[in-house]
Amino acid sequence: GESVGLHLPTLSVQEGDNSIINCAYSNSASDYFIWYKQESGKGPQFIIDIRSNMDKRQGQRVTVLLNKTVKHLSLQIAATQPGDSAVYFCAEISIIQGAQKLVFGQGTRLTINP
Amino acid sequence: DTGVSQDPRHKITKRGQNVTFRCDPISEHNRLYWYRQTLGQGPEFLTYFQNEAQLEKSRLLSDRFSAERPKGSFSTLEIQRTEQGDSAMYLCASSRKNEKLFFGSGTQLSVL
Repeated sequence: GESVGLHLPTLSVQEGDNSIINCAYSNSASDYFIWYKQESGKGPQFIIDIRSNMDKRQGQRVTVLLNKTVKHLSLQIAATQPGDSAVYFCAEISIIQGAQKLVFGQGTRLTINP
Repeated sequence: DTGVSQDPRHKITKRGQNVTFRCDPISEHNRLYWYRQTLGQGPEFLTYFQNEAQLEKSRLLSDRFSAERPKGSFSTLEIQRTEQGDSAMYLCASSRKNEKLFFGSGTQLSVL
């Protein structure tokens, strides 16, 4: 079946460095993609999304890149801070009858070292 | 705080017992979703409501699971005759039509 997955389960970076979290997906019919951040004991928190007709979108300290040729999605976090430590999930979204159907990947745990 | 409230935050129960969780979505959101998340995995879709109508149910939702949203506002998820495999985080999310989902903090269920 269709699936969304991540290349690496864990990633450690030094505070202040940039980090890149990767995601591979297989359903090319998705309407758009979202990156979520999940801290311990909390639900997923929206970070940034990108529509399937775009290849790059920037937010505050975050950039998402979409490469439809190789079905790859990445999240770049600039100047990482201790508060960025969390598990990051990519999710692919299809909109069906006004409802968003999300398929989440496995997640990458990002640890920011002081 | 996203505005989606779930209760309780934690539930410990013995195998075979019934449990019920509650979700209060953001008030103007007419769409409500339940997801289940096990350790190290991404959330998996369980069911979805548009107002009070339950429009979709996942194959993961066995006949021991039932969800309701009687007045189109809060929702409950009940698990009957719990099994150890039911241990997970149960997440609720809500949204407006075609807009992004806001997740609650979840109910962590442990079945002993």
